[in-house]
Amino acid sequence: GQQVMQIPQYQHVQEGEDFTTYCNSSTTLSNIQWYKQRPGGHPVFLIQLVKSGEVKKQKRLTFQFGEAKKNSSLHITATQTTDVGTYFCARTGANNLFFGTGTRLTVIP
Amino acid sequence: NAGVTQTPKFQVLKTGQSMTLQCAQDMNHEYMSWYRQDPGMGLRLIHYSVGAGITDQGEVPNGYNVSRSTTEDFPLRLLSAAPSQTSVYFCASSYSQGNQPQHFGDGTRLSIL
Repeated sequence: GQQVMQIPQYQHVQEGEDFTTYCNSSTTLSNIQWYKQRPGGHPVFLIQLVKSGEVKKQKRLTFQFGEAKKNSSLHITATQTTDVGTYFCARTGANNLFFGTGTRLTVIP
Repeated sequence: NAGVTQTPKFQVLKTGQSMTLQCAQDMNHEYMSWYRQDPGMGLRLIHYSVGAGITDQGEVPNGYNVSRSTTEDFPLRLLSAAPSQTSVYFCASSYSQGNQPQHFGDGTRLSIL
């Protein structure tokens, strides 16, 4: 299908540890978006990556787009309890988004 | 600006009942869409609209109808509710195209008994 594969499905970390989620596609992606959904909330747009090899940072979050534009990652440095939630990547189609299955992050204080 | 507003927030239906989930946005966005979210399956696109009077099917359209008579509103109709439609439904919008960053509503949690 047109979904992207996202791993891991779940991740539990101690507060202060780092966290990474990966998004993989069998086909080349035109661009990719990342969203965060807090428990009980709605998805909120974080960032869009467009260029091959692109790296973008938002405070403790680092987003990467692979050189072949077939994978992407989100890395959080020194997690905090406010980072709890599910992180989704989404590939862009001609006029739609196709979401990955998400990685649910739990941060243990 | 209220952004994207969905009503109701919660709803319980019996199998075979029909209902309409409401979605309205006040950002003058052309593109609007409906997703359903089920555990372990991410968000799946049901229907979308690129502007008033234009709608199209997404990945999982069966059992749902939509219409777009105005730019602001994009209601989702369940024709004859089935237990398999128990889910959380999100409405989203973007300025002009579906591959732009989406603004989501707070969702409607729907249970079909």
